[in-house]
Amino acid sequence: GAVVSQHPSWVICKSGTSVKIECRSLDFQATTMFWYRQFPKQSLMLMATSNEGSKATYEQGVEKDKFLINHASLTLSTLTVTSAHPEDSSFYICSAVPTGGYGYIQYFGAGTRLSVL
Amino acid sequence: KQEVTQIPAALSVPEGENLVLNCSFTDSAIYNLQWFRQDPGKGLTSLLLIQSSQREQTSGRLNASLDKSSGRSTLYIAASQPGDSATYLCAVRPETSGSRLTFGEGTQLTVNP
Repeated sequence: GAVVSQHPSWVICKSGTSVKIECRSLDFQATTMFWYRQFPKQSLMLMATSNEGSKATYEQGVEKDKFLINHASLTLSTLTVTSAHPEDSSFYICSAVPTGGYGYIQYFGAGTRLSVL
Repeated sequence: KQEVTQIPAALSVPEGENLVLNCSFTDSAIYNLQWFRQDPGKGLTSLLLIQSSQREQTSGRLNASLDKSSGRSTLYIAASQPGDSATYLCAVRPETSGSRLTFGEGTQLTVNP
């Protein structure tokens, strides 16, 4: 149980285009999902907290107009990187918290590697 | 602001050795601490979760301890195997702020056959 699916696993795009990454909780509902960014050999940095039916909460220094988050259902959150540039190339990981789950444990997706040319 | 530090940053050991990974955190007001494993280019696999009221948790060859007052946790791996090679991350959840986690930088472990 508690499986989080992230799609795509790897995407290559041209500079200036937009890319959408999906995060789905397959066997549970998730009111809250998180989006992280990870550079090579570095730890996970929280980008934003996604709440179903409301606006996402972004961490300091994260451009909300560049990283659009939509959490329209209890099983799906999407991250859209708008007008991507090479410096946006990174590993993006999402996690989901089961609604009403004990301990607010996060379950992680397998990540999406974004390469912007 | 919570800061999580992991030492060492990298570790290489021969197969069969017992080893200890260290994690320290600056704010002791935590709800729980979690150890994860991350294989290259992959997501996170949860290994052990220790509630703030607990001292340790065990799963197979893994044992994690927590000293909340001193802001420290260790992950002990017994009889290491090449398949244990991965990056190990610790993360703390604060007493407040819901399920938000703060991660350490990780320890990259290589177990040589």
